[in-house]
Amino acid sequence: QVQLVESGGGVVQPGRSLRLSCAASGFTFSSYEMHWVRQAPGKGLEWVALISYDGSNKYYADSVKGRFTISRDNSKNTVYVQMNSLRAEDTAVYYCGAAFDSWGQGTLVTVSS
Amino acid sequence: QAGLTQPPSVSKGLRQTATLTCTGNSNNVGNQGAAWLQQHQGHPPKLLSYRNYNRPSGISERFSASRSGNTASLTISGLQPEDEADYFCSSWDSSLSAWVFGGGTKLTVL
Repeated sequence: QVQLVESGGGVVQPGRSLRLSCAASGFTFSSYEMHWVRQAPGKGLEWVALISYDGSNKYYADSVKGRFTISRDNSKNTVYVQMNSLRAEDTAVYYCGAAFDSWGQGTLVTVSS
Repeated sequence: QAGLTQPPSVSKGLRQTATLTCTGNSNNVGNQGAAWLQQHQGHPPKLLSYRNYNRPSGISERFSASRSGNTASLTISGLQPEDEADYFCSSWDSSLSAWVFGGGTKLTVL
């Protein structure tokens, strides 16, 4: 069955970087656009970024544009998000999604000094 | 980025029908449709309806989605205790080239 497993979260100081990974299985990864969505503690869902099935198109929320970079490796069935210049307001659970069809369990990123 | 508008909370009785709304504009809901996701506390979101208002396989027929103008709706019939959750709508905004979410509606089943 479809499985998405995020990893790479943790506690990081403001201004530092972190890379999240999402390993996919159970479906044809190279046919799906992939999303990152986040949820701050006690808040709603916020869309972060999208990468097309072949990696040729990438889109970002204004709140992360210029700081976050989404990428994918179809040979490894994995999507990434490189997060630079992290801020306290980036603290959230980060979910990856295959289109909007399926979602991982999420990984928590805490930005704090 | 401007988001979609959802009522913060809706309360209905067991076995009743709840209709949740999601209002956007002609750049998103009105032209692109809206997806609906359900999220139980402490769990990841789950897709209930695609942007074309079709249900993914495995989703109960009690969930139906529709759109009128710039407002999308999710109707849940025969409310069950397990329907108590947060519900989010989302749409692709063609002017922003970004997905936007509503703030979510907390559904309480009395």
